[in-house]
Amino acid sequence: EAQVTQNPRYLITVTGKKLTVTCSQNMNHEYMSWYRQDPGLGLRQIYYSMNVEVTDKGDVPEGYKVSRKEKRNFPLILESPSPNQTSLYFCASSTRLNYEQYFGPGTRLTVT
Amino acid sequence: AQSVAQPEDQVNVAEGNPLTVKCTYSVSGNPYLFWYVQYPNRGLQFLLKYITGDNLVKGSYGFEAEFNKSQTSFHLKKPSALVSDSALYFCAVKSNGNNRLAFGKGNQVVVIP
Repeated sequence: EAQVTQNPRYLITVTGKKLTVTCSQNMNHEYMSWYRQDPGLGLRQIYYSMNVEVTDKGDVPEGYKVSRKEKRNFPLILESPSPNQTSLYFCASSTRLNYEQYFGPGTRLTVT
Repeated sequence: AQSVAQPEDQVNVAEGNPLTVKCTYSVSGNPYLFWYVQYPNRGLQFLLKYITGDNLVKGSYGFEAEFNKSQTSFHLKKPSALVSDSALYFCAVKSNGNNRLAFGKGNQVVVIP
């Protein structure tokens, strides 16, 4: 089954404690992306990757890091989380031909 | 930078009536336009897209959208709404000149039985 998986699905953490949210896809997609969803703000792109070792900033990259060492994986790293990073996070992937995004189920992050 | 405007926070429609969800966009270069739907506690699902060709695009679940270049719009439509269409709808745009995707704020659609 074609899918994008994210882990964990729910996470409560404290300010400053480094965390990683994993994302994996099994469709051999080149393009992968992270978004955050906040009420009234819709989805905002954090980072995206065109292929292995190729990443670039989206609209709200501050406070986040990513890496793309394998085609299927695109982890999101928060080195020092802050309360304003409390949000619902989605990973997505697509081909570079049509950019039809397949979304993961989401990770709800709370930073206290 | 590209952007999307979805002017209405919520759209209420009676079951069986036509449904329209509005989207206007701003982009340099030719747009790639998308509609996605999000059901409660789920990720987004792709509905339809316009990249090139016919301005009227048909997608999943009976939805369609019309690309209007002069008005920079890409409104989503369904001739006869179902209660099961109640969800959050997002419009998105990408320029053919870069690899960023911009999403709108989303429209909550409520179909009243």
